Amino acid sequence: DVKVTQSSRYLVKRTGEKVFLECVQDMDHENMFWYRQDPGLGLRLIYFSYDVKMKEKGDIPEGYSVSREKKERFSLILESASTNQTSMYLCASSLYSGFQPQHFGDGTRLSIL
Amino acid sequence: DQQVKQNSPSLSVQEGRISILNCDYTNSMFDYFLWYKKYPAEGPTFLISISSIKDKNEDGRFTVFLNKSAKHLSLHIVPSQPGDSAVYFCAANYGGSQGNLIFGKGTKLSVKP
Repeated sequence: DVKVTQSSRYLVKRTGEKVFLECVQDMDHENMFWYRQDPGLGLRLIYFSYDVKMKEKGDIPEGYSVSREKKERFSLILESASTNQTSMYLCASSLYSGFQPQHFGDGTRLSIL
Repeated sequence: DQQVKQNSPSLSVQEGRISILNCDYTNSMFDYFLWYKKYPAEGPTFLISISSIKDKNEDGRFTVFLNKSAKHLSLHIVPSQPGDSAVYFCAANYGGSQGNLIFGKGTKLSVKP
């Protein structure tokens, strides 16, 4: 079974802090993704990566950056956290081909105070 | 503009009856469609998928139907069980998109005992 592990289930940070969300997958998947989920808005793609050191912007990249130094690990960085970044953050991975499902971690509920 | 639409935010069904969740899409390039189930405070779980060369795919109590001419797909759950109560997301992509999925906003299914 694919295992996607997000480092924290719940996180509370303060406005202006630099926040790191970590994600690790154990299935040697090429693709990794970061989404945020907000009520009534569904899943919105922040960034994705299809290879080590490669990254592509998704639909809502503003205020975020990412890092992929190793194939199994994909980090999401909030450079200067703001209250409107309070959300559920979901990491996913998949094989490179387009005809593959994404497998998700359990999410990180991030609150910015 | 939403490329994948789930027009019903919620659906309530009696245990043992059929649940039908609907999804419409606008991009004729989409050739792979998926359904995910999500419980609160957990990540989405892949449920079932269908490629555009088929019009039906079945897995146990879950069946997905694809009508390409209408750009419409539906998920049927028969019989519905209280444990099926969750938010269901429809997603789509096309073969050249490096695995990127476009998600609908979700439908909350409540199955009442």
